[in-house]
Amino acid sequence: AIQLTQSPSSLSASVGDRVTITCRASQAISSALAWYQHKPGQAPQLLIYDASTLETGVPSRFSGSGSGTEFTLTISSLQPDDFATYYCQQFNGYPLTFGGGTKVEIK
Amino acid sequence: EVQLLQSGAEVKKPGATVRISCQLSGYTFIDCYIHWIRQAPGKGLEWMGLVDPEDGETIYAEKFQGRVSVTADTSTDTGYLELSGLRSEDTAVYYCATDLNMVRGLSPAQDFYYGMDVWGQGTSVIVS
Repeated sequence: AIQLTQSPSSLSASVGDRVTITCRASQAISSALAWYQHKPGQAPQLLIYDASTLETGVPSRFSGSGSGTEFTLTISSLQPDDFATYYCQQFNGYPLTFGGGTKVEIK
Repeated sequence: EVQLLQSGAEVKKPGATVRISCQLSGYTFIDCYIHWIRQAPGKGLEWMGLVDPEDGETIYAEKFQGRVSVTADTSTDTGYLELSGLRSEDTAVYYCATDLNMVRGLSPAQDFYYGMDVWGQGTSVIVS
């Protein structure tokens, strides 16, 4: 199974900060990667698919990049609504797998 | 609006079996896969498996092989997750989800996904 390693596992940031989260795959997965935002008590929400394509309705401060084995999710200017846990997921092959998550907390 | 509506919370004894349902509305059921994902307390998201409602084909994560069964009823547009031999580590919120834009390949290895864009609300399962 393809393993996804996210870093950091948690971070503290302030409103307005630029935040970058990394997801590394144990083998090349082309651009078959998505990013989700997950808040307590809610279902995860798709933010980015195909590594860098913004899902409809997602604010443009979110962006994704990368291909192969290294990917990043960037929030250009952190907003109060962005404090949540973020996950990457690969679609290069079964079983589909998630990264361990990155919790973004208020500094 | 496309929605996945899951059944309610469950409390089970160790060793028991739980069955969770997930009904799709607003979309053609046989045109998408139903995936099951869980999140244990304090843990991350974990993909468990999927069912293709068109032909009933399933794919499971190896961790759950032998204990999990995922099925689909096309007469009610409902997917089901059944997990047997429950233990305390199975305490989690279970989600169903789908990718409305995915493209089926000629084989599973050729399936092309965009991302899970529709999720159920989650079903809490407590094993105690």
